[in-house]
Amino acid sequence: DAGVIQSPRHEVTEMGQEVTLRCKPISGHDYLFWYRQTMMRGLELLIYFNNNVPIDDSGMPEDRFSAKMPNASFSTLKIQPSEPRDSAVYFCATERGPGTEAFFGQGTRLTVV
Amino acid sequence: AQTVTQSQPEMSVQEAETVTLSCTYDTSESNYYLFWYKQPPSRQMILVIRQEAYKQQNATENRFSVNFQKAAKSFSLKISDSQLGDTAMYFCVIRDFGNEKLTFGTGTRLTIIP
Repeated sequence: DAGVIQSPRHEVTEMGQEVTLRCKPISGHDYLFWYRQTMMRGLELLIYFNNNVPIDDSGMPEDRFSAKMPNASFSTLKIQPSEPRDSAVYFCATERGPGTEAFFGQGTRLTVV
Repeated sequence: AQTVTQSQPEMSVQEAETVTLSCTYDTSESNYYLFWYKQPPSRQMILVIRQEAYKQQNATENRFSVNFQKAAKSFSLKISDSQLGDTAMYFCVIRDFGNEKLTFGTGTRLTIIP
């Protein structure tokens, strides 16, 4: 398996633009997580899904952020409109089941100018 | 709420030496998992070792071992015979049993000196 695949690896966008980050989970993994990493706040969970259903979105910063998982093979994290304070590395991670190892993608480095 | 504290922002050690990274945590749960993840310059987050809180025996993975002190809520990582490839940011992580959310510490940046 190729692991968790995220795209793009780097994204630079202007303030106010819509940004979409993508994640392809490992096949057979029922849990999918979106994390954000910044120097100030470290790694924070934004949202996670179980069998494509959002379970906990309490970490989503505000209404500008939305995440979807239309099927078991794909998830998106969208920011609209983007702001400079959204600049961070966004990680997607997946797990096969409860209590199992979380596998992380290589992250998307987002820069909003 | 869970919290994880890593009090050593940076450490460095000579190649082949042994180094110990400290971690303390807090949780109201009695069953939980503890992990050490490493993040090398490539940015990929990689699991190093995991420990189930109900197991008294300390986990070991090759050169990596932990000292798990449940009463003290302490979970340190020992790296023996350190190698240049061990240079990375190391995160101590907790997850309560039945809750899939990972809570990360602030990390320790470890540099192995040739």
